[in-house]
Amino acid sequence: RKEVEQDPGPFNVPEGATVAFNCTYSNSASQSFFWYRQDCRKEPKLLMSVYSSGNEDGRFTAQLNRASQYISLLIRDSKLSDSATYLCVVSSTDSWGKFQFGAGTQVVVTP
Amino acid sequence: NAGVTQTPKFRVLKTGQSMTLLCAQDMNHEYMYWYRQDPGMGLRLIHYSVGEGTTAKGEVPDGYNVSRLKKQNFLLGLESAAPSQTSVYFCASFSGTSGSYNEQFFGPGTRLTVL
Repeated sequence: RKEVEQDPGPFNVPEGATVAFNCTYSNSASQSFFWYRQDCRKEPKLLMSVYSSGNEDGRFTAQLNRASQYISLLIRDSKLSDSATYLCVVSSTDSWGKFQFGAGTQVVVTP
Repeated sequence: NAGVTQTPKFRVLKTGQSMTLLCAQDMNHEYMYWYRQDPGMGLRLIHYSVGEGTTAKGEVPDGYNVSRLKKQNFLLGLESAAPSQTSVYFCASFSGTSGSYNEQFFGPGTRLTVL
């Protein structure tokens, strides 16, 4: 079983709609959680860190559920420019400095 | 502040040839990493370094070697390239501290094709 798993999608979303997807992790020692965005196999870029209480950055909302060991990302009012692959990244206290990556969830926003 | 840079951006090799990929960071980060990314797969860790003069194996180290002689540079070597090493290679760095700004920063990638 992979340490970090994501639904690969694609999630086809009409412009202006809301889309949400999850990422599950298996290591209970996981401490830090991130969502990265990756465009057309360019380098991953940090979208947002995920905090225990959940956090929001404009149209993006991230949640952490430690009991069920998953994080989520919700995108409101989707824009064409939101089309990308979203990578879930997790680091753990028992392997400090090593980051586990999900394979990514593809989002396609259509006009 | 250039962040993380990689050279070259593209390269085509013949089977058996050797090459070195260079990664440089100007953020004074302790940790540096080399990943490869293949279609449909997530990033897989090849080797990493927790500080100048140190290296460690990651998930897929076979066929690669690395060196970290200077804190700002992390080199990835392919001694005898194989078609299975055709991939996109990303370098990343991390400060090594907890708290804010504890994410990884990535270079733009090197697209390598081995014929």
